[in-house]
Amino acid sequence: GIQVEQSPPDLILQEGANSTLRCNFSDSVNNLQWFHQNPWGQLINLFYIPSGTKQNGRLSATTVATERYSLLYISSSQTTDSGVYFCAVDLDHGQNFVFGPGTRLSVLP
Amino acid sequence: DAGVIQSPRHEVTEMGQEVTLRCKPISGHNSLFWYRQTMMRGLELLIYFNNNVPIDDSGMPEDRFSAKMPNASFSTLKIQPSEPRDSAVYFCASRNSRANTEAFFGQGTRLTVV
Repeated sequence: GIQVEQSPPDLILQEGANSTLRCNFSDSVNNLQWFHQNPWGQLINLFYIPSGTKQNGRLSATTVATERYSLLYISSSQTTDSGVYFCAVDLDHGQNFVFGPGTRLSVLP
Repeated sequence: DAGVIQSPRHEVTEMGQEVTLRCKPISGHNSLFWYRQTMMRGLELLIYFNNNVPIDDSGMPEDRFSAKMPNASFSTLKIQPSEPRDSAVYFCASRNSRANTEAFFGQGTRLTVV
């Protein structure tokens, strides 16, 4: 099956710093999403980005499908950005949505 | 829309008891997914349905686990008999695969088997 890797596994930042999280996948995908799991366990949708670039406030994401990776950029980080960031992909429409292991981000005040 | 609704939010049960987790997907979504999250194994896909039909249940850990989707607005995940190693957070997600849109998750059910 498809393999999904994320790096780094852990990241500690000072408030105000910028960061880049990476997601690599082993096969062509139809869909890719980024999620933030907050300290209360909720999975929050960040981006639905099978290709191209999107921005939402301080966050942006880029997926280069031909090279099988996606990047999540967090600028001017805040303590509320802490949590685990997951990417998830699937090969076929609506099928078999597989998660990466996540990047655990801690933003210190 | 209220989003994906899961119940109960928390469940504590004794080993050997039957446990039923419930999920109501977003109206109009035709794909539904059940996941289990543990520290050791992360987010694992257990089973997914397309148009109420189970497509792939290869992630279901063993025969003690079963899932049903009797109609487009309701699904259950049952564990019988439950064991302490089943303790985890169980998530349900749904999406509209016909329109190829993003998946949305419920708030999860935290299951503790003692």
